[in-house]
Amino acid sequence: AQTVTQSQPEMSVQEAETVTLSCTYDTSESDYYLFWYKQPPSRQMILVIRQEAYKQQNATENRFSVNFQKAAKSFSLKISDSQLGDAAMYFCAYRSEVGETSGSRLTFGEGTQLTVNP
Amino acid sequence: ETGVTQTPRHLVMGMTNKKSLKCEQHLGHNAMYWYKQSAKKPLELMFVYNFKEQTENNSVPSRFSPECPNSSHLFLHLHTLQPEDSALYLCASNQQGVLATNEKLFFGSGTQLSVL
Repeated sequence: AQTVTQSQPEMSVQEAETVTLSCTYDTSESDYYLFWYKQPPSRQMILVIRQEAYKQQNATENRFSVNFQKAAKSFSLKISDSQLGDAAMYFCAYRSEVGETSGSRLTFGEGTQLTVNP
Repeated sequence: ETGVTQTPRHLVMGMTNKKSLKCEQHLGHNAMYWYKQSAKKPLELMFVYNFKEQTENNSVPSRFSPECPNSSHLFLHLHTLQPEDSALYLCASNQQGVLATNEKLFFGSGTQLSVL
């Protein structure tokens, strides 16, 4: 079974600075997807960024980028120019590529609470 | 707003009560999910429905009873719960299948449940 580990329960960053959230995972599969979800105080989980394992290029979405190290099974999230609205719980998630209904089998980490200081 | 609406937002119930959580999506998705989010624990998948048929039950106790009358609505019926069932219950939906080009999950805001 796959596992996802987020070793940082809490992180803080100054507004406009850069912060990196860590995520490692364990799997024996070669094809899979990785995600970062954000859960603000409104509680609604929102997809931040998505990475396909077969792609070597790191995914980027505006101020959010990932450092995907497949051999090391590491998937960190970098937030540049942090804004107050980035304060939230961030979850790393893994999804197997196997099976038509694989979309349901998201494995989440425990989350990292990010605080942005003004 | 992601198009997935959950009610009620908060719920307090006694162990002998019967209550229901409701989830509604108008995104045209064919799959709906219930997740349980407890403090300091990863999200736990509870149930999956695909085209109104339950495709996954992740060893959830029978005191939780899901119902999916159509592809847009999902309920979670609760009865004789325990205090350890207190958690945030999240509903999600997406489009599954070989024709799906993006299986991104859309979440609701959850129901914060407290069992006394």
